[in-house]
Amino acid sequence: DGGITQSPKYLFRKEGQNVTLSCEQNLNHDAMYWYRQDPGQGLRLIYYSQIVNDFQKGDIAEGYSVSREKKESFPLTVTSAQKNPTAFYLCASSQGPGGGYTFGSGTRLTVV
Amino acid sequence: SQQGEEDPQALSIQEGENATMNCSYKTSINNLQWYRQNSGRGLVHLILIRSNEREKHSGRLRVTLDTSKKSSSLLITASRAADTASYFCATDARGAQKLVFGQGTRLTINP
Repeated sequence: DGGITQSPKYLFRKEGQNVTLSCEQNLNHDAMYWYRQDPGQGLRLIYYSQIVNDFQKGDIAEGYSVSREKKESFPLTVTSAQKNPTAFYLCASSQGPGGGYTFGSGTRLTVV
Repeated sequence: SQQGEEDPQALSIQEGENATMNCSYKTSINNLQWYRQNSGRGLVHLILIRSNEREKHSGRLRVTLDTSKKSSSLLITASRAADTASYFCATDARGAQKLVFGQGTRLTINP
């Protein structure tokens, strides 16, 4: 079945650590996106990529980094510079601009 | 930048009743989309309506779009307990190359 897979489902980070969230899709979609969701809130865009080896900052990119070396993969690194990283992180993909998004099931990150 | 604003923030109705949620936005759009999110899960795409369309149906869902008022509504008819979820509108603004999501409406269907 085609879809988008996020791992791990739950992740715990100590203060000062970098952690990487995985996002893989087998839908042959060109575009991929990372969103952050805080409790009871909407989605805020962190980074997005329309094509391999290219990506753009979203509204809240500070403290995060991404790479897009393969079409299927768009990992997100939450760096120690992100002071409030506890949140639910959602990855999505689409065929291109303007289309519907397919979302992964999310990664819940908690700082301990 | 949150473009879509949903109203109400929360809605609680009895099973079998109709549920209406509204979304307002600020700029010109190519299309507007509605998504559902069950608690602790990813979002699921429900329906997309283009800027030149006024109404669209999908099963028990009916979406309207009024570009002159920059608003959209999602109607769920004959609600079921399984419809309990948060519903988000998302706008594809012209030239933006990405969707902007609203804050969502939390819908509760009481048996």
